[in-house]
Amino acid sequence: QQQVKQSPQSLIVQKGGISIINCAYENTAFDYFPWYQQFPGKGPALLIAIRPDVSEKKEGRFTISFNKSAKQFSLHIMDSQPGDSATYFCAASRTSGGYQKVTFGTGTKLQVIP
Amino acid sequence: EADIYQTPRYLVIGTGKKITLECSQTMGHDKMYWYQQDPGMELHLIHYSYGVNSTEKGDLSSESTVSRIRTEHFPLTLESARPSHTSQYLCASSERLEHWETQYFGPGTRLLVL
Repeated sequence: QQQVKQSPQSLIVQKGGISIINCAYENTAFDYFPWYQQFPGKGPALLIAIRPDVSEKKEGRFTISFNKSAKQFSLHIMDSQPGDSATYFCAASRTSGGYQKVTFGTGTKLQVIP
Repeated sequence: EADIYQTPRYLVIGTGKKITLECSQTMGHDKMYWYQQDPGMELHLIHYSYGVNSTEKGDLSSESTVSRIRTEHFPLTLESARPSHTSQYLCASSERLEHWETQYFGPGTRLLVL
């Protein structure tokens, strides 16, 4: 059962363009929504995260938009660069039994072409 | 970049062999995790630990076992490797930042069982 649905599976964007990755969740108990960036041969690294009481968070060229009523959130990469080419995972986290349980999306492979 | 290390990075081994995947972190984090990630797929939690002598099974059933004798060390063992164990194994540790646990991942071990 996929609790966090992520789309698209892959994405090709021209350099300078906007990359948009979307995620949707069902469980309203989730209280933290991080995005991870993974380069080939490396483990995922936290990119940016948002709380459900905030509708938008921006860090440099990366912005998370969060729609609590629709249970959707998205990552926007402005002025996409070839160095942004990586796999991006959205995730949703909730506290259960004192432990923070993280559910990951299936990932989006982004390729930024010159 | 987080100080979390995994060895070996790549392992090719025959069916029936016993293997141990090493994971260590120098950040003093109490919480550590093991995830399994198949190519192009999401991460699945297979084990986690709240601290020394604490280990729990994750969401995805796994024939592997873990131990946590020292804070910095969280090895994963497969007593008898099978081709179905072929996957990438990611180790992570976490710390509480603001109100949420932030996870830091190692580079992963790619396991191929022949």
